[in-house]
Amino acid sequence: AQTVTQSQPEMSVQEAETVTLSCTYDTSESDYYLFWYKQPPSRQMILVIRQEAYKQQNATENRFSVNFQKAAKSFSLKISDSQLGDAAMYFCAYRSAWYTGNQFYFGTGTSLTVIP
Amino acid sequence: DGGITQSPKYLFRKEGQNVTLSCEQNLNHDAMYWYRQDPGQGLRLIYYSQIVNDFQKGDIAEGYSVSREKKESFPLTVTSAQKNPTAFYLCASNVGSDNEQFFGPGTRLTVL
Repeated sequence: AQTVTQSQPEMSVQEAETVTLSCTYDTSESDYYLFWYKQPPSRQMILVIRQEAYKQQNATENRFSVNFQKAAKSFSLKISDSQLGDAAMYFCAYRSAWYTGNQFYFGTGTSLTVIP
Repeated sequence: DGGITQSPKYLFRKEGQNVTLSCEQNLNHDAMYWYRQDPGQGLRLIYYSQIVNDFQKGDIAEGYSVSREKKESFPLTVTSAQKNPTAFYLCASNVGSDNEQFFGPGTRLTVL
């Protein structure tokens, strides 16, 4: 089974500053999808950004961008101009591109605190 | 509006009782999932179903059971065999091989 590792249980950032959350994964597959989910205090899981492994270009969604390093199996999330509403638990997730199994694999999460 | 509903939001049960958590989706998604979330452990897969009347065990299926009689419904029963059932339970669904999962709001189960 694939494994997803988030080595930073907690991170903090000053409001308006930039922070990077790390994620590494282990797979033997060449085609897959990677995701970052946000879980605020309400505990509703919200998709932040997704990346297709076959695309070399890093995905970007407004203040959120990723640094996808396929050879290194690394998928970090950069949050620019951090806002108080960004405070949440962030989960990295992996999903095979093959339909068989159809499972998502999640990391253990990084708790982000935004300091006013 | 399309989405996933889970009920109830909070659930209390006495030890030794079975309890069923509801999950309904109107997104017309084929696949549905149940996860358990504990502090420091992320999301762990309990069961998933890719089609009606079919489901597969996840990593921590012991003490749980599911059914998938309708496409839109995937209830989870926490049985008395589950040793430590107090947790936050999330239901999710998705369609296709290239789409993300959509999540319900979750149910917090506390066994007294």
